[in-house]
Amino acid sequence: GAGVSQSPSNKVTEKGKDVELRCDPISGHTALYWYRQRLGQGLEFLIYFQGNSAPDKSGLPSDRFSAERTGESVSTLTIQRTQQEDSAVYLCASSSISGNGYTFGSGTRLTVV
Amino acid sequence: ELKVEQNPLFLSMQEGKNYTIYCNYSTTSDRLYWYRQDPGKSLESLFVLLSNGAVKQEGRLMASLDTKARLSTLHITAAVHDLSATYFCAVDLQRGSRLTFGEGTQLTVNP
Repeated sequence: GAGVSQSPSNKVTEKGKDVELRCDPISGHTALYWYRQRLGQGLEFLIYFQGNSAPDKSGLPSDRFSAERTGESVSTLTIQRTQQEDSAVYLCASSSISGNGYTFGSGTRLTVV
Repeated sequence: ELKVEQNPLFLSMQEGKNYTIYCNYSTTSDRLYWYRQDPGKSLESLFVLLSNGAVKQEGRLMASLDTKARLSTLHITAAVHDLSATYFCAVDLQRGSRLTFGEGTQLTVNP
């Protein structure tokens, strides 16, 4: 596609439920990143996939968070047993190994009530 | 661990004035990015700076990179209200590696 696509754009969930967020990167981009942005704050790195290499999971805040990516395509970020502090905008980005920039999606706004 | 710091974090300025936002980072890198974020929106790429001494300009914004000082500046010339947004700088250590972001500078341009 022309840009990075994320779905859903908004998600309201009850505390304790699991949620799945989806990211569809730009075709041909080998690298995919997830970031979290709490209200009024900067971007916090969560996880990074590069091609077929093992993902860099060093930013995941707890074992309730996990992410998968199949090949160089879609990624899903799963949050289990959601807590109110998980409320944030989750942004996905992708980049090409030959390029010099990162393109961000529009984000998923997650609200845990 | 790479750290990126911006200052100021909040900037209120009048239309027509000039100002500079500073971005310092802790680890040697010659790759720095500036993004703009409007409220409730995603990040829009403004500048990609990939070498020492790189300078790029777009409209009223000009960005520069001094890799020896580990410092980038975003200079605003004759500000207009439309520039009101949050500006982030970010650094990566090599092509395709993860970005580390500064805290953001919330700019408000008053008529």
